Amino acid sequence: QSVLTQPPSVSGAPGQRVTISCTGSSSNIGAGYDVHWYQQLPGTAPKVLIYGNNNRPSGVPDRFSGSRSGTSASLAITGLQAEDEADYYCQSYDPSPRTSLVFGTGTKVTVL
Amino acid sequence: EVQLVESGGDFVQPGGSLRISCAASGFMFSNYVMNWVRQAPGKGLEWVSAINGGSYITYYADSVKGRFTISRDNSKNTLYLQMNSLSAEDTAIYYCAKDPFDGTPYYFDYWGQGVLVTVSS
Repeated sequence: QSVLTQPPSVSGAPGQRVTISCTGSSSNIGAGYDVHWYQQLPGTAPKVLIYGNNNRPSGVPDRFSGSRSGTSASLAITGLQAEDEADYYCQSYDPSPRTSLVFGTGTKVTVL
Repeated sequence: EVQLVESGGDFVQPGGSLRISCAASGFMFSNYVMNWVRQAPGKGLEWVSAINGGSYITYYADSVKGRFTISRDNSKNTLYLQMNSLSAEDTAIYYCAKDPFDGTPYYFDYWGQGVLVTVSS
C-alpha cells in the first residue's frame, strides 16, 4: 500500500513543461527524508531519474529536475519529448512503525 | 558494468513456496544493501525486503513479514528471496535492486530485468 500520493496522470504537448507532485506525511518526506524518482518505460524495469531530492545520475538529461518542500516533492520535466512518455514513481524512507522504503502511487505521463 | 539477473520465477499454487535468485556482477556485491521490489500486473511498485551487506540486518514490508525470507551469499554474488504461504496477492514481477550504500536502505541505483511469479490454482 503506497503512502506517497501522486496524480494518476499528467499530459503535455512536445516542448511543454509538466510537473508531478508527490505528497507524503510527517513520518516520511516531512521528517526530512530524501525523495527519489524513477522512470519506467513500457515493458521495462524502472530506472533512477533523480536521487537525493534533486540530483541526476550521469546520463539523465537536465530536462528532469526535482525538489522537496515540507511534506511534498515534485518532479519537473521541461521541453517534453515523445520519449518521456512513461510511468514515474517517487520513493522515500519511512521509519514508522519500522524501517521501510515507500513508493508513490505512480503517474502516467502522456505526450500529446 | 553493473548487472543484476533474476531467475526462478514460476507458476505456483496458493499456499505453495518458491525461491527466486538474483545473480550480481560488475560491483563489490558484499559492500551494498540489496533489495527486492515487486510490481503486480498493471499496478505500481512495492518495496518487499532488504538486506545489508553483511547479512546481519534484514528488513521486510508488512505484507510479507513472516512469510518471506531474504538472504544473500556474498561468495556467490547472489541474492535470494524465499517465499512461503503464497497467495494470489503475491503475483507480480519481482525485481532485484541494488542500493548505492551499505547500512540502512536508501534508494535503488540499479535494477534487474525482473522475474514473474504467478500464484494461481
